[in-house]
Amino acid sequence: AQKITQTQPGMFVQEKEAVTLDCTYDTSDPSYGLFWYKQPSSGEMIFLIYQGSYDQQNATEGRYSLNFQKARKSANLVISASQLGDSAMYFCAMSLFSGGYNKLIFGAGTRLAVHP
Amino acid sequence: GAVVSQHPSWVICKSGTSVKIECRSLDFQATTMFWYRQFPKQSLMLMATSNEGSKATYEQGVEKDKFLINHASLTLSTLTVTSAHPEDSSFYICSARALTRGNNQPQHFGDGTRLSIL
Repeated sequence: AQKITQTQPGMFVQEKEAVTLDCTYDTSDPSYGLFWYKQPSSGEMIFLIYQGSYDQQNATEGRYSLNFQKARKSANLVISASQLGDSAMYFCAMSLFSGGYNKLIFGAGTRLAVHP
Repeated sequence: GAVVSQHPSWVICKSGTSVKIECRSLDFQATTMFWYRQFPKQSLMLMATSNEGSKATYEQGVEKDKFLINHASLTLSTLTVTSAHPEDSSFYICSARALTRGNNQPQHFGDGTRLSIL
């Protein structure tokens, strides 16, 4: 069965430091995509970064990078130089092509608090 | 970037009322839209997949007659919570993908609707 696991309910980081948010996944499908979304307290879901299962290099988007370890089935999000505005819920998600369309399944989320 | 508009943002209504939530893709066409439900401090749970011009596909445990979905055009999907009761109070959020296939297209989300049934 497909599953996304985020084992850190909450994380704290000092402003300007880097933080890693963990995500592991389980699927037998060879073709899948991994996404990270940020959800501030206002509720909207903001797309951060994507990693494809066949991508050879780790994805990077500005201060966000994805540490993709396929053999371990992990896709950790690294946020460098944390800012106060990074405080939010972060969700890891996996896209599977099923029944003719792509479906996203989400992990439980990690709440990140950035301290000044 | 791709924009998805969801309306209304907040709904407070009496028990027994039916509530309609709209999800629009503003600058792209979406054959598929998704409806999620999120309880406080929990993750998003996929309720159903809305397919343009055909019936929605519901996840296990989601009542089709309770949560009516209509996807009448490539830019609009609606979720109607029929005869809503307090246990239906939740945050409902939609998403849409552009028309291309493949796993690398992110779903773009609306801002969500907070539904409170009194």
